Amino acid sequence: GDQVEQSPSALSLHEGTGSALRCNFTTTMRAVQWFQQNSRGSLINLFYLASGTKENGRLKSTFNSKESYSTLHIRDAQLEDSGTYFCAAEAIGGSNYKLTFGKGTLLTVTP
Amino acid sequence: EAGVTQSPRYAVLQEGQAVSFWCDPISGHDTLYWYQQPRDQGPQLLVYFRDEAVIDNSQLPSDRFSAVRPKGTNSTLKIQSAKQGDTATYLCASSFPGGSYEQYFGPGTRLTVL
Repeated sequence: GDQVEQSPSALSLHEGTGSALRCNFTTTMRAVQWFQQNSRGSLINLFYLASGTKENGRLKSTFNSKESYSTLHIRDAQLEDSGTYFCAAEAIGGSNYKLTFGKGTLLTVTP
Repeated sequence: EAGVTQSPRYAVLQEGQAVSFWCDPISGHDTLYWYQQPRDQGPQLLVYFRDEAVIDNSQLPSDRFSAVRPKGTNSTLKIQSAKQGDTATYLCASSFPGGSYEQYFGPGTRLTVL
């Protein structure tokens, strides 16, 4: 089965509201990255976490390796936040630094 | 600091044709990755290098795909005899182990095989 399970698959928000995206892992992960993929297809780095919580503007992310999950919170959503959000994680073990991606959350922000 | 650059940005081929993609990682990054992203899916790792050495190519379809990084800097991914199923965006990423292996992605090459 998939090592990275991402939910929801799609999300619609009105401007100014917020929500959370979640990734569950079926194996122990060393670190997680969150990306936004914009309409041109570029992957924009949002967060890299080996543990704990990071915040950047209207975004906040948490990674709990022990309980095998990570979350991305978006508050006060803006139109430019629309896009597909991916989490990706590195499994623990050896010198393996491969990222395994979730299937993404398609976020649509409407006026 | 310049980001990861890739070329071409787009390619359209007939089945059976060959194509090469080129990637220039961020300066100083020793690790380089190639991913394939089919439409409406997440990226999937094909191969990655540390310097010029292949570390993992277990997901690279070796009969038609090849990747090299001869001097440990730029890299080329080549598809011989492309198939319609190869239609996808090909993404290159790089990282440097200065405390983390955070990966930074290029803009990708969008390939369509007719």
